[in-house]
Amino acid sequence: GNSVTQMEGPVTLSEEAFLTINCTYTATGYPSLFWYVQYPGEGLQLLLKATKADDKGSNKGFEATYRKETTSFHLEKGSVQVSDSAVYFCALSALKSSGDKLTFGTGTRLAVRP
Amino acid sequence: KAGVTQTPRYLIKTRGQQVTLSCSPISGHRSVSWYQQTPGQGLQFLFEYFSETQRNKGNFPGRFSGRQFSNSRSEMNVSTLELGDSALYLCASSLDGNGDTQYFGPGTRLTVL
Repeated sequence: GNSVTQMEGPVTLSEEAFLTINCTYTATGYPSLFWYVQYPGEGLQLLLKATKADDKGSNKGFEATYRKETTSFHLEKGSVQVSDSAVYFCALSALKSSGDKLTFGTGTRLAVRP
Repeated sequence: KAGVTQTPRYLIKTRGQQVTLSCSPISGHRSVSWYQQTPGQGLQFLFEYFSETQRNKGNFPGRFSGRQFSNSRSEMNVSTLELGDSALYLCASSLDGNGDTQYFGPGTRLTVL
């Protein structure tokens, strides 16, 4: 079946540091890949997505590139802010004839210190 | 355009009771999916509804059920609640569920005592 593996947290960084959160996946076919972010007490917000190999998703300074050869979709940001502190989820969507569902990684908690 | 809304936001029940949660999708979205989030199991897919039909189902017992109405609003029901059902229940909507982006509501926090 489909699965997503992302790095264990928590990740603690100082403000303006470089961020990488690793994500690899296993899926049949050609899934779409997503990063969602969850702030305390809230639901999930879509951060970025990519739908085919070599696509780069970007939003709010975050980027991730769909690498089919390494089955990866690592999240990066050049300079994190305290407001980026949240839990980040990597997810994939692999279409089936019976409809769609998201398969999530376990989430990586990011804490940014001033 | 209004986002996905879920009611109630918080719920406290006791074991053996049943509960109904509601989700209103983004206007024009026809697919609604439900997920359970717990610290131990993470985010797990419950089921997806499209045009009032359950199209996809996760690995949950039959105590978990749902339905969708003609206006795409959806409800999920959990019967005979167990302590382990305590979780954040998230609803997500998308245009047609064919791999397009799912947008999540704020969730309903269910506590079972």
